[in-house]
Amino acid sequence: AQSVTQLDSHVSVSEGTPVLLRCNYSSSYSPSLFWYVQHPNKGLQLLLKYTSAATLVKGINGFEAEFKKSETSFHLTKPSAHMSDAAEYFCVVSRYNFNKFYFGSGTKLNVKP
Amino acid sequence: EAGVAQSPRYKIIEKRQSVAFWCNPISGHATLYWYQQILGQGPKLLIQFQNNGVVDDSQLPKDRFSAERLKGVDSTLKIQPAKLEDSAVYLCASSFQGAEGYTFGSGTRLTVV
Repeated sequence: AQSVTQLDSHVSVSEGTPVLLRCNYSSSYSPSLFWYVQHPNKGLQLLLKYTSAATLVKGINGFEAEFKKSETSFHLTKPSAHMSDAAEYFCVVSRYNFNKFYFGSGTKLNVKP
Repeated sequence: EAGVAQSPRYKIIEKRQSVAFWCNPISGHATLYWYQQILGQGPKLLIQFQNNGVVDDSQLPKDRFSAERLKGVDSTLKIQPAKLEDSAVYLCASSFQGAEGYTFGSGTRLTVV
C-alpha cells in the first residue's frame, strides 16, 4: 500500500527566507514521488518528480526535493521564498511505473512581506 | 500541446438533482482519471480508465456516481442524485504511460445546496 503524510497543514515564512515543506511516505514498492502546487482556483501543477534516478531532484521555480529512503522522506525546499509561492502544496506517491496517485492532505504556504 | 479540458468550470445544483461533468484528455493519453477534491483535503481517486475499460473504481460511490469513456477518448462523470457532501472540485487527469505525462485539468467546482 502507498500513502503520504504531510507533516504540516500550514507553513508561514517571510519573503526571502527558506521554505521547508515536509513529506513522509509509505510504500510497499519502489515509489515514485511528486510535488504538486495548487494556486487558488487553479489546477494542479507539477513542481518536480522522483522516479528512481538522482535522489536530489530539481524542479521549477527554484524548488528542489531530496529522496531519503532511510528516512522515508521527500521534503520540498526552496532557498528564498517569493510572494508568488503562496499556494497549497501536495506530496504524492505512486508505485514506480504504476500510475495511480496517492495524495497527501496538503500544506498551505503563506509568504509574508 | 493542448492540456486536459474540463467543463463546466463551475456548477451549482440543489441536492437530489443530477449533474454531469465532461473531460477531454490529452491526445494519445490512454489512461484517464477522475479525482474528487473536497475543500481542505488532497484529491482522492474516484475511477481510472485504461482506454475505454475501467481499471479501478474501488472508491467510486456507485449508488450515485457513474462514469463512462465510451470511445476511449473523452469521459463523462455523473452524479445522481447529488448530496450536500458531494460539494467538491472534480479533477480529471490523463497520462500516456505510467506516470509519464500525468496532467491534470483545471477541474469543475461543484456546489450542492
